[in-house]
Amino acid sequence: DIQMTQSPSSLSASVGDRVTITCRASQSIDNYLNWYQQKPGKAPKLLIYAASSLHSGVPSRFSGSGSGTDFTLTISGLLPEDFAAYYCQQSYSIPLTFGQGTKLEIK
Amino acid sequence: QVHLQESGPGLVKPSQTLSLTCTVSGGSISSGTYYWTWIRQPAGKGLEWIGRIFTSGTTNYNPSLKSRLSMSVDTSKNQFSLKLSSVTAADTALYYCARLTPWEYSYGFNDYWGQGTLVTVSS
Repeated sequence: DIQMTQSPSSLSASVGDRVTITCRASQSIDNYLNWYQQKPGKAPKLLIYAASSLHSGVPSRFSGSGSGTDFTLTISGLLPEDFAAYYCQQSYSIPLTFGQGTKLEIK
Repeated sequence: QVHLQESGPGLVKPSQTLSLTCTVSGGSISSGTYYWTWIRQPAGKGLEWIGRIFTSGTTNYNPSLKSRLSMSVDTSKNQFSLKLSSVTAADTALYYCARLTPWEYSYGFNDYWGQGTLVTVSS
């Protein structure tokens, strides 16, 4: 299985900040990397697929980059509704695997 | 708008079989090249991919669960199902069904999710 490691596991930030979350794969996954946002008590929502493609309806303050083994999710100009957990997922090989998650909290 | 809804018992006894069904509305489960997946999340923990099924019945399972897992699809009811046998407390989790949309040469992304259903394994 491909192991996905996110950092940090938790992050405190303020409204208006720019934050970056990192995801590292245990082997190259080309750009087959997705990002999800999950709020408490809710199902995850797709934010970004193929490392940098914004899913329909997702605000442009979310962006993704990377290829190979290292990827980043950046949120520019945090809004109150952005405080949530974020997960990366590789879609290169089965089983599809997720990172352990990053919890973004209000400072 | 595609909508997915999980259903099934919320309590299963240890060693028994966990059975869940996902009903898809807002579109035919047979349309397009979509796969249909199950993902679970223990309380306060991360996401674990369980497996996927195509409407032809083709499946791929997580090797960690493969020996206990069975997935099926009923296109006439627009549903797909999960059976996990010999459950233990470690199988207690929120179970999600989700659509998997293939993209280029990758396995794709989960763009529509059910709300999740909590399954507790306990005597």
